[in-house]
Amino acid sequence: QVQLQESGPGLVKPSETLSVTCTVSGDSISNYYWTWIRQPPGKGLEWIGYVHYRQSAIYNPSLRSRFTMSIDTSRNQFFLKVTSAAAADTAIYYCASGGPYPVAYLPWFDPWGQGTLVTVSS
Amino acid sequence: QAALTQPASVSGSPGQSITISCTGSSSDVGSYDLVSWYQQYPGKVPKLMIYDVNKRPSGVSNRFSGSKSGNTASLTISGLQAEDEADYYCCSHTRSYTYVFGPGTKLTVL
Repeated sequence: QVQLQESGPGLVKPSETLSVTCTVSGDSISNYYWTWIRQPPGKGLEWIGYVHYRQSAIYNPSLRSRFTMSIDTSRNQFFLKVTSAAAADTAIYYCASGGPYPVAYLPWFDPWGQGTLVTVSS
Repeated sequence: QAALTQPASVSGSPGQSITISCTGSSSDVGSYDLVSWYQQYPGKVPKLMIYDVNKRPSGVSNRFSGSKSGNTASLTISGLQAEDEADYYCCSHTRSYTYVFGPGTKLTVL
């Protein structure tokens, strides 16, 4: 049973870089696609992108320029970085599995981590 | 990317059936049978309820079903129960090989 756990800074100042880590346990990170999803307080879900170590990351075209996903197979972790953070980036950041590799399309987002709240404020 | 639309809220009485719609376009919902639905209780993590339009993951009640017609996908909950009161989000694959969520629908059980 794959389990995911996010970790993040909690508070980031505007214009700084926001970094979130997702640690995967229960299986090799190489066997799945991995995705990031965020949810501003009181609002809906926003898909950020997905990554697999054998493929280039795919991003929400509305967010692409400031967002970077990466993966470290040796530590079974994957990462999200958001540069030039702004108040609008305040959200709960979730990591989730996008299904087994390889497939043509991600069938689902499951399971999810518990989420980590990142607040962008001075 | 283009947005999906969902009703902001729906309601029903215990035992009734309700349907939540998710309308997209020929660039997403209409092109692929790759719509999923997520249930989220306040302050909790979203839970996968339906994938590939109409498939239920193990452990999800068969009171939940999904369907699609043209550019609109639907989630139907039959035999409504108080525990079904939650927010529901649809998600679709797009032609750009990206994914998009709907804005969410708040289900109230009267």
